[in-house]
Amino acid sequence: AQKVTQAQTEISVVEKEDVTLDCVYETRDTTYYLFWYKQPPSGELVFLIRRNSFDEQNEISGRYSWNFQKSTSSFNFTITASQVVDSAVYFCALSEGGYGGSQGNLIFGKGTKLSVKP
Amino acid sequence: KAGVTQTPRYLIKTRGQQVTLSCSPISGHRSVSWYQQTPGQGLQFLFEYFSETQRNKGNFPGRFSGRQFSNSRSEMNVSTLELGDSALYLCASSIGSGTPDTQYFGPGTRLTVL
Repeated sequence: AQKVTQAQTEISVVEKEDVTLDCVYETRDTTYYLFWYKQPPSGELVFLIRRNSFDEQNEISGRYSWNFQKSTSSFNFTITASQVVDSAVYFCALSEGGYGGSQGNLIFGKGTKLSVKP
Repeated sequence: KAGVTQTPRYLIKTRGQQVTLSCSPISGHRSVSWYQQTPGQGLQFLFEYFSETQRNKGNFPGRFSGRQFSNSRSEMNVSTLELGDSALYLCASSIGSGTPDTQYFGPGTRLTVL
């Protein structure tokens, strides 16, 4: 069965600190996709990154970086030099399937609420 | 390009009523998915529509239904509302290419059932 675990319910840091949000997933498929979304207080889920199971390269986008390790079934997200605007709930999600698979079945973790204090 | 839009943004209903929520996807996107978000259960997949056909369905009772129109706009209907249906309902659109594309979410409709 597919499952996404975000063990950290809430994290509080002071501005400019680095913070890592953990994500561990379970799947029996060899082809799958992993995502991170940000949900600010307004409620809209904002897409951050999509990674497929065949691409284990880590990715950096500005202050954001992602570490994908198939050996530990983890897809962790690090924010460097955090800012108050980073305060939000962050969700990790899993989607299974290759060509012809459905688009819609995102399995979400419970989310990690990040508070960045000035 | 305009993002995903959802109407209405807020809705208050009473138990037993029915409600219809609307979602307009990003232009060119043919897949629309619906999710329910509650504090207790988190984000849960309701169903997905592609080319006016339901392609995938989550584990929700038959009171939850949806449809998609030829212009890819989608509606979701909940009949015989229960208190537990109070939630943020999120719509997401994607290209629908056949592999799990990125889903882009709308701002949601917050439904309160009294």
